[in-house]
Amino acid sequence: AQKVTQAQTEISVVEKEDVTLDCVYETRDTTYYLFWYKQPPSGELVFLIRRNSFDEQNEISGRYSWNFQKSTSSFNFTITASQVVDSAVYFCALSEATRAGGTSYGKLTFGQGTILTVHP
Amino acid sequence: DSGVTQTPKHLITATGQRVTLRCSPRSGDLSVYWYQQSLDQGLQFLIQYYNGEERAKGNILERFSAQQFPDLHSELNLSSLELGDSALYFCASRPGGQQSSPLHFGNGTRLTVT
Repeated sequence: AQKVTQAQTEISVVEKEDVTLDCVYETRDTTYYLFWYKQPPSGELVFLIRRNSFDEQNEISGRYSWNFQKSTSSFNFTITASQVVDSAVYFCALSEATRAGGTSYGKLTFGQGTILTVHP
Repeated sequence: DSGVTQTPKHLITATGQRVTLRCSPRSGDLSVYWYQQSLDQGLQFLIQYYNGEERAKGNILERFSAQQFPDLHSELNLSSLELGDSALYFCASRPGGQQSSPLHFGNGTRLTVT
């Protein structure tokens, strides 16, 4: 079975600090996709980034960067120079392979989430 | 705005009652997923439909059922409600069932059972 673990339940930082959110996953699939979602206090789930299992090139987008390491089954997310508006719950998710027969059809398995609080 | 619409935003009802949650997927998306978010269980996958057909089931209770209509909107029916059913219910959509596409989520329906 697929599993996503976000060991950090809560992280509290002061504005302008850098913060890294950890994500470790388990899967038997050779092809899979990883995602990060953000859930601000307003409650909606916002898609941030997708990574596939055969692309280990790390990415930077503005203040956000992602570190994917297949060897350690980790997909970590870093916010540089954090801001109060970054306060949210962040979820890492793993997409299962598309299988017939109703056992799985690309559903996302989510980690438990990390609550990030950025103080002014 | 994800393009996925869920109604109602809030629902307060009593134990034993039945409610229906509605979801309109993004234009063109054929797959609809339902998730339940509770404090102790996190985000749990309930069920998925693709173009009107059920494709995958998660930890969905027998008291819960869903369907996807020809116009692709979906409804989640919750019956014989219990206090423990209080949660945020999300609908999400994607173009097909392919694992590479992200799910785009609606704003959720917050269900409170009293």
